[in-house]
Amino acid sequence: DAGVIQSPRHEVTEMGQEVTLRCKPISGHDYLFWYRQTMMRGLELLIYFNNNVPIDDSGMPEDRFSAKMPNASFSTLKIQPSEPRDSAVYFCASSFLAGNEQFFGPGTRLTVL
Amino acid sequence: QQQVKQSPQSLIVQKGGIPIINCAYENTAFDYFPWYQQFPGKGPALLIAIRPDVSEKKEGRFTISFNKSAKQFSLHIMDSQPGDSATYFCAASMENAGNMLTFGGGTRLMVKP
Repeated sequence: DAGVIQSPRHEVTEMGQEVTLRCKPISGHDYLFWYRQTMMRGLELLIYFNNNVPIDDSGMPEDRFSAKMPNASFSTLKIQPSEPRDSAVYFCASSFLAGNEQFFGPGTRLTVL
Repeated sequence: QQQVKQSPQSLIVQKGGIPIINCAYENTAFDYFPWYQQFPGKGPALLIAIRPDVSEKKEGRFTISFNKSAKQFSLHIMDSQPGDSATYFCAASMENAGNMLTFGGGTRLMVKP
């Protein structure tokens, strides 16, 4: 298996633009997590899904952020409109059972100018 | 209640030294305590994990010590090597919260040759 796949790896955009980050979890994993990493706030959980259903989105910063998981092999995190303070590395992770190891993707480095 | 506090923020040791990273938690419902290792440009990866029914776990040069009464746990790296230079995150989760991890702030470790 190729592991968790994220795209794009780098994204540079201007304030106000829509940004869509994509994630393909490891096949067979039924939990998917979106994290944001910054120097100031560390690693923050934004939202997680179980069997494609959002379970906890309390970490989503505001209404500008939305996440979907239309099927077991694909998820998106969308920011609309983007702001400079959204600049961060966004990670997707997956696991196959509660209480088990989370496998992280390589991340998407987002820069909002 | 969900917070995990990690210290120090950064650590420099000589090759062969034993860096120790400490974490403390408040929520007694946490029952799984992993450590993740992150190299620059990569996603975090599970290094070692412990459950509260044991006080110590060793895997190679890495040891977790767990003190349930003090609600603290620590990572020790024996005979540290320059290749261990990375950022280390402690985390905690509860079985009845899916696999949602609460991460500490991270420790940037540098092992000098």
